[in-house]
Amino acid sequence: EDQVTQSPEALRLQEGESSSLNCSYTVSGLRGLFWYRQDPGKGPEFLFTLYSAGEEKEKERLKATLTKKESFLHITAPKPEDSATYLCAVQAYSNTGKLIFGQGTTLQVKP
Amino acid sequence: NAGVTQTPKFQVLKTGQSMTLQCAQDMNHEYMSWYRQDPGMGLRLIHYSVGAGITDQGEVPNGYNVSRSTTEDFPLRLLSAAPSQTSVYFCASSRGAGGQETQYFGPGTRLLVL
Repeated sequence: EDQVTQSPEALRLQEGESSSLNCSYTVSGLRGLFWYRQDPGKGPEFLFTLYSAGEEKEKERLKATLTKKESFLHITAPKPEDSATYLCAVQAYSNTGKLIFGQGTTLQVKP
Repeated sequence: NAGVTQTPKFQVLKTGQSMTLQCAQDMNHEYMSWYRQDPGMGLRLIHYSVGAGITDQGEVPNGYNVSRSTTEDFPLRLLSAAPSQTSVYFCASSRGAGGQETQYFGPGTRLLVL
């Protein structure tokens, strides 16, 4: 069964304190791994797509990496505006178009 | 482009009532889907469509119906609402169903069933 587990569930950081969010996955043939950001009361906002182990993508203070079993979202020198819930999702070759989501990590960055 | 739009933003229903959640996209996307988001459960796929006239079930389809008569619209119908359907509903769309295609989400509809 395809599964996605994110950890930790919640993370509190001081402004400037770098950290990483983890997304572990079990899927029968990975077609793509997606990271989204979700602000309270809003829909998920696309951040990155990763397709193969070893791939990395960056956007401002965020960097996503992928291995055969997990993905990390590294946050470098975070700011309060980075506070949000970060969602990880996978798409398998056997489930065209269907995204399997993890439960998310809620990040709070204090000034 | 407005992207993916959803109406209403918030709705309260009584058990047994029916309603339709509207979803529209102006990006000419072929693939559209509906998810529900519940605390501790993550987003779960309800129904999806790979093009006009074609729909299929997702992970949690019971109690919901969909149809896709146009490329732009993908309404979700609750035939007889139940308290278990209290949730936040998101519509998403992408150019296609392949892994290279990014799914873009609407702002959501919050539904409370009493």
